[in-house]
Amino acid sequence: DIVMTQSPDSLAVSLGERATINCKSSQSVLSSSDNKNYLAWYQQKPGQSPKLLMYWASTRESGVPDRFSGSGSGTDFTLTISSLQADDVAVYYCHHFHSVPLTFGGGTKVEIK
Amino acid sequence: EVQLVESGGGLVQPGGSLRLSCAASGFTFSDSWMTWVRQAPGKGLEWVANIKKDGNEKYYVDSVRGRFTISRDNAKNSLYLQMNSLRVDDTAVYYCADGFLSINWGQGTLVTVSS
Repeated sequence: DIVMTQSPDSLAVSLGERATINCKSSQSVLSSSDNKNYLAWYQQKPGQSPKLLMYWASTRESGVPDRFSGSGSGTDFTLTISSLQADDVAVYYCHHFHSVPLTFGGGTKVEIK
Repeated sequence: EVQLVESGGGLVQPGGSLRLSCAASGFTFSDSWMTWVRQAPGKGLEWVANIKKDGNEKYYVDSVRGRFTISRDNAKNSLYLQMNSLRVDDTAVYYCADGFLSINWGQGTLVTVSS
C-alpha cells in the first residue's frame, strides 16, 4: 500500500501570507504510461464534505481560486496557498489515486495566526 | 449540477448490518466509477471501496474486505454499500463520491456502531 505522509499536522498563517503543505508518498505515484502524477488535494471546511482542489498534482479543479497551486512529482508534493484568506481555514488532505488501495494523507489543519 | 445524496446510516450494534444508498443525479451515472470514503469522528479520510462503471470491478480497503459489498444499479442511478459484521471501529460518516478519483462528494451519512 502507498502511505501518504503530510507535514505539518497544523499551521497558523497570517492573512495574506503564504501557506505551504507538504505530502510525501511511500512509492512514486507517477505513471510511466501517461507521465501523470496520480495525486490530488482536497479541502475540508468544518462541518462540510471534502472538496476537490487539485488533481494530476498541479491541475486546479474548475472554480478553485488561483491562489491555490500544486507542485511536485514522483513522491514529493506541495500545496501552496499564495495569500491566505479567512475562507481558506480548513483541513487539507493529499490523496493518491495511482493504484488500489487508494489512500489519503493524515491532513493538515490551516488556521489564521 | 452533480448531486449525491447518501442515506441509510444509523445506530447499529456490533455484529449487525446496514445498507447505505447513494442517489446520484446531474451526470451520466453509468459512465462513472463510484467510490465510498469514510471519516471516523474527529479523524481523517479513509477510502473504503470503489466500483467500475459496469459493476464488474470492485476494490476494497483490507479492513472491510469480506464484510462490506459495494454495488450499483445503473438503471436507478444508485450506489450501495452493504455492511455486515459491523465493528465499533466502523463508526464514521460515510461519503459517496463520483469517479475513481473522488470528484464530487455527498453530504455523508453517519454510521454508529455501539452496544
